[in-house]
Amino acid sequence: EDQVTQSPEALRLQEGESSSLNCSYTVSGLRGLFWYRQDPGKGPEFLFTLYSAGEEKEKERLKATLTKKESFLHITAPKPEDSATYLCAVRVTGGGNKLTFGTGTQLKVEL
Amino acid sequence: DGGITQSPKYLFRKEGQNVTLSCEQNLNHDAMYWYRQDPGQGLRLIYYSQIVNDFQKGDIAEGYSVSREKKESFPLTVTSAQKNPTAFYLCASSIGTAGYEQYFGPGTRLTVT
Repeated sequence: EDQVTQSPEALRLQEGESSSLNCSYTVSGLRGLFWYRQDPGKGPEFLFTLYSAGEEKEKERLKATLTKKESFLHITAPKPEDSATYLCAVRVTGGGNKLTFGTGTQLKVEL
Repeated sequence: DGGITQSPKYLFRKEGQNVTLSCEQNLNHDAMYWYRQDPGQGLRLIYYSQIVNDFQKGDIAEGYSVSREKKESFPLTVTSAQKNPTAFYLCASSIGTAGYEQYFGPGTRLTVT
C-alpha cells in the first residue's frame, strides 16, 4: 500500500528562523511528488511538482527537494504570511492521476 | 479570471436528506476530481472524471454519486447512504490525467445533523 508520512505535524518558528518540512513516501513507483499550501478553510494551492531524485524547485522563500525516499520543503527566513498547512502528495505507477496525500504539516511563523 | 468555483461555501442538512455540491471550472481542463478532507486525515479521493460522460470511483465512493454532462461541471451528490457526511469537500481539476498538477477550488463545508 502506498503511504505518505509528513513530519512534524506542527511547527512553530520565529520570523527569519529557517527550517525544513519532511515528506517521506513508500510507493511502488513514483510518478510525481506534489507540494501544496493550504490556508484555514480554503482549498490547497499548488506549489511544486518533483519527478526524479535530485530535482529541486524554488519559489520565493520555499525550496523543494526530492530523494528516492523523501522530499523536503525548505523555508528560508520565513515570514508570518508563510503560516499555513503544507501538504505533500504522490502519484504512483499504475495509479492514473490519483494523488495520495499526507496529513500535512501545520506551520506557524511568529513575529 | 480562470478558476474553479464551488458553491455554497457552507451547507447544512438534516440527516436522511440528499444534497448536491456544485463545482464549475473555466480552465478548459479535461479532468475533474472530488476529495473529502477530515481533521487529522489526508485528502481522500471520492470520484474523478477524465472526460465528459465518464467517471470512476475513487477510494471512498460509497454513499456518493456524480455526473459529468458538461466539461465545465462536475456536481457531487452526497446521499443519505453516506454514514459520516459531515466534512470539507474539495473539487479539483487538471489539464489531463498524464501527471498534470491538480488545481483546487475553495471547498464546501457540509454539516449534517
